[in-house]
Amino acid sequence: DAKTTQPNSMESNEEEPVHLPCNHSTISGTDYIHWYRQLPSQGPEYVIHGLTSNVNNRMASLAIAEDRKSSTLILHRATLRDAAVYYCILRDLTSGTYKYIFGTGTRLKVLA
Amino acid sequence: DSGVTQTPKHLITATGQRVTLRCSPRSGDLSVYWYQQSLDQGLQFLIQYYNGEERAKGNILERFSAQQFPDLHSELNLSSLELGDSALYFCASSVSATQGATEAFFGQGTRLTVV
Repeated sequence: DAKTTQPNSMESNEEEPVHLPCNHSTISGTDYIHWYRQLPSQGPEYVIHGLTSNVNNRMASLAIAEDRKSSTLILHRATLRDAAVYYCILRDLTSGTYKYIFGTGTRLKVLA
Repeated sequence: DSGVTQTPKHLITATGQRVTLRCSPRSGDLSVYWYQQSLDQGLQFLIQYYNGEERAKGNILERFSAQQFPDLHSELNLSSLELGDSALYFCASSVSATQGATEAFFGQGTRLTVV
């Protein structure tokens, strides 16, 4: 399974943008990059995904490097409700089926 | 609300016992995934089913088994329970198992405590 590397923790001030990095140097051509977040005492929640091009949705933006070996999740204005563990996942196609393999994630702390 | 329902929410049982965790996927989702999250640990992929058939296996112990029924709900059976099996167990579902762009929807989890 292709692996991702993320910083263990990051801090941000409320109302400021946050850039959460992820390295995936062994990514293959069939791997989609997904981001999920897990708020305390809750199940993971889908944030965004992409393959090659940058993506935007109402929650965040995903910037993917040209060589696809890294990506960055961008929260445009962090709020206290964004405090969570953020997981960068490669949706890995093996045995004819995609599965979601989670790493250790980045714990984001948002300061008021 | 993700649309994925897991029952029960909490379960306390003794070592050596057997329990069954249940998951109802989102309407229309054919693929179900089970994950284990121990205290302060990441999410460990256990097993995936698609339309009733096992599609992928992760770090699932032999004491654990799962199945997906014709109505697409899934059950995770944990037997000969040990203290170390205490964890949050999450179920997720997605529409497809073969499209990488498909997002997964997670339930709120079942917290299992083995005493």
